[in-house]
Amino acid sequence: GAGVSQTPSNKVTEKGKYVELRCDPISGHTALYWYRQSLGQGPEFLIYFQGTGAADDSGLPNDRFFAVRPEGSVSTLKIQRTERGDSAVYLCASSPRQGGADTQYFGPGTRLTVL
Amino acid sequence: RKEVEQDPGPFNVPEGATVAFNCTYSNSASQSFFWYRQDCRKEPKLLMSVYSSGNEDGRFTAQLNRASQYISLLIRDSKLSDSATYLCVITRGFKTIFGAGTRLFVKA
Repeated sequence: GAGVSQTPSNKVTEKGKYVELRCDPISGHTALYWYRQSLGQGPEFLIYFQGTGAADDSGLPNDRFFAVRPEGSVSTLKIQRTERGDSAVYLCASSPRQGGADTQYFGPGTRLTVL
Repeated sequence: RKEVEQDPGPFNVPEGATVAFNCTYSNSASQSFFWYRQDCRKEPKLLMSVYSSGNEDGRFTAQLNRASQYISLLIRDSKLSDSATYLCVITRGFKTIFGAGTRLFVKA
């Protein structure tokens, strides 16, 4: 079946602009995670959704970052007033249940470059 | 100090060698433990879970020492295709926390 998909695969924007990154999880997966990965680092946890609600958003770095999952499927990560330090690969993962890392399936990521 | 620490490497080994990676974690409330593999410019993929009793999957053996807050991964008979970054991963509550990874290069 289809895996996790993310769009766009690449996004180049200018400092100060607004961007939206989309994640389509595996059908039927109730749990969804967003991560950010900078060069030479492991993925950094941002937010976890169980269904439509954000069960843990403690990883969002500041109030410029926001994520939604209005129907419990597709999720959008929104970044306002982008800064050069936001440049990274943004990864999404979904899971069929609330659980540990062994049930997470990752998408290919969106590479965000802020000029 | 990062919550999950790994030696970044790189480890350069010949085919057929045995190589071991270590990882330490700082929070004793960590609940589950894993090794993930990440190929260059690809997404992470689960390699194996890690238990205190130790577990083996073919050429790969993982071990957890909760008292020392230490996780290990042993790769025997290295293959060229084992070249990748190996990420040590812990979970705590809803969070999944990755180490920065250890790079492995296996050469012919």
